[in-house]
Amino acid sequence: DVMLVESGGGLVQPGGSLRLSCAASGFNFSSCAMHWVRQAPGRGLEFIAAIYGHGKIMYYADSVKDRSSISRDNSKNTLYLEMRSLGREDTAKYYCVKDNDLSGYYSGNMDAWGQGATVTVSS
Amino acid sequence: QSALTQPPSASGSPGQSVTISCTGSGSDVGGYHRVSWYQQHPGKAPRLILYEVTRRPSGVPDRFSGSKSGNTASLTVSGLQAEDEADYYCSSYSGTTNAPALFGGGTRLTVL
Repeated sequence: DVMLVESGGGLVQPGGSLRLSCAASGFNFSSCAMHWVRQAPGRGLEFIAAIYGHGKIMYYADSVKDRSSISRDNSKNTLYLEMRSLGREDTAKYYCVKDNDLSGYYSGNMDAWGQGATVTVSS
Repeated sequence: QSALTQPPSASGSPGQSVTISCTGSGSDVGGYHRVSWYQQHPGKAPRLILYEVTRRPSGVPDRFSGSKSGNTASLTVSGLQAEDEADYYCSSYSGTTNAPALFGGGTRLTVL
């Protein structure tokens, strides 16, 4: 079975930074694009970033693109998200998500989701 | 304000059908056959229920169906069951934004 397990969430001070990790198993990790999607409390889903299977092409939402970096280590089956200059608007549950295209290209069809890592930005 | 517009709520009785709309523009919903729908129960992660407008992942009942006309995509849930009560989100590929995925604001489906 596909499993995605996020870690690295917690309480962060305004202006601080975070690094989320996502350990993937149950599928050929390097053959799938991956995404980060977040959901603020009581709010809807927001695309944050995506990365191709080979790790050389990335996409970012405008809300985070100047202060975020998505990366992956295919040898460790792990996806990462680094964000800096965090504000209260970044408080959310951050989901690690698998793309369903098996060629490693981005399709946007998000067919497996982790349980999410909660990030709270507060002093 | 979300990039794609969904009604905030929808409802139906068990056994009935309900349709949820998702309106975008010619640069996203209308321009590509790449609309997906997600179901999210309270406290749970979202689940993909439709992709490429009409395709169902393995394990999704055929009570869930999708369509698209112009800049509006629709999700229809037929034969409503109590377990269908959840939030539903549409998503579309966008050709004009840095972020290729746009989400709707979500629709809370209530089974009466």
